[in-house]
Amino acid sequence: GENVEQHPSTLSVQEGDSAVIKCTYSDSASNYFPWYKQELGKGPQLIIDIRSNVGEKKDQRIAVTLNKTAKHFSLHITETQPEDSAVYFCAASREGSTLGRLYFGRGTQLTVWP
Amino acid sequence: DSGVTQTPKHLITATGQRVTLRCSPRSGDLSVYWYQQSLDQGLQFLIQYYNGEERAKGNILERFSAQQFPDLHSELNLSSLELGDSALYFCASSPSQGRAEKLFFGSGTQLSVL
Repeated sequence: GENVEQHPSTLSVQEGDSAVIKCTYSDSASNYFPWYKQELGKGPQLIIDIRSNVGEKKDQRIAVTLNKTAKHFSLHITETQPEDSAVYFCAASREGSTLGRLYFGRGTQLTVWP
Repeated sequence: DSGVTQTPKHLITATGQRVTLRCSPRSGDLSVYWYQQSLDQGLQFLIQYYNGEERAKGNILERFSAQQFPDLHSELNLSSLELGDSALYFCASSPSQGRAEKLFFGSGTQLSVL
């Protein structure tokens, strides 16, 4: 099965700085890569996703890049704010597959200091 | 609010007991997924149902079972509980046709086995 590795496990940045979280995957058939944000006491919430036919996707202060050859993808958050503090999860799956599962990384605890 | 409702929010029980966790998916979503979140295992996929039928199975123990009813709500039954079953259990639903894209997670049920 798929194996998703995520680094770092914790990340502390100053407000206004950028944050980068990196993930690698093992299954070359994976073609859908979402990122989820989990705030304390809540369930994970999808913040951005990318498909394998795209190398980069941006949504305001959040961007995701994908390198299919190297099998890694990254989340970039610019101009971080205290409300960005949360646990971030990367995931991988095969889009179009009816097997219906996401393989999650172990998560990154992001803390943004004011 | 994701639109996915999970009850109860907290559950405290003893070893050997049986509990039932309930999930109502977002209106119109036919797929329901169950995930277990623990500090040592991260987010682990347990099982998926699509329109009442089991679609995919992950790391679900034989002591655990689930079903999806005609009104699309789902229940996860955990029996012969052990201390190690203590975890946060999430339900998620998806608008995609039985696929894992764009999962919407509930707030989870925190299970404590004493």
